[in-house]
Amino acid sequence: KNQVEQSPQSLIILEGKNCTLQCNYTVSPFSNLRWYKQDTGRGPVSLTIMTFSENTKSNGRYTATLDADTKQSSLHITASQLSDSASYICVVSAWKAAGNKLTFGGGTRVLVKP
Amino acid sequence: GAGVSQSPSNKVTEKGKDVELRCDPISGHTALYWYRQSLGQGLEFLIYFQGNSAPDKSGLPSDRFSAERTGGSVSTLTIQRTQQEDSAVYLCASSLSQGHEQFFGPGTRLTVL
Repeated sequence: KNQVEQSPQSLIILEGKNCTLQCNYTVSPFSNLRWYKQDTGRGPVSLTIMTFSENTKSNGRYTATLDADTKQSSLHITASQLSDSASYICVVSAWKAAGNKLTFGGGTRVLVKP
Repeated sequence: GAGVSQSPSNKVTEKGKDVELRCDPISGHTALYWYRQSLGQGLEFLIYFQGNSAPDKSGLPSDRFSAERTGGSVSTLTIQRTQQEDSAVYLCASSLSQGHEQFFGPGTRLTVL
């Protein structure tokens, strides 16, 4: 069964500090992995997308890593800002032949405090 | 519009009533998805439309749920005889085609009293 597990479920960090969110998946056959940011009351917005051959990808202060061998990904937030308070969702896509099914993680809720 | 829009933004209804939720995808996007997000939970896939193909209804939780996509554009999600457990945020997303990035709407928050 395809699954995506995220940890921690929630975390609180002080403004300016760094944090790392984890995503473990069992989706097969793997196509790509996206990290989404979902602000309260809004729909998710894509931050990064990574395919099998990519190890790291950055989008401003967000850096995602992917280890396709261990089926793990992380999202690192550098120098956090209050606007980073949101839920971060890891989404893994199965290969086209498998219908491009998306499997969503439960998300990590991040709260940045001043 | 530039993005996916959904209406209404909020809907409060009484148990047993029917509700219709609307989604306007990004123009030119052939793929459209409906998801449900319960409070504090992850996204749950409901249904997927791709062009003129038969929709993938594998995520619909019961036969009270149905969706249509008219003319390959606007979609409506209908919930009949609503139950309290239907209370959630219903998100719509569209993509250029299957496998491309999905762009999400702001969602409709449904509350069943």
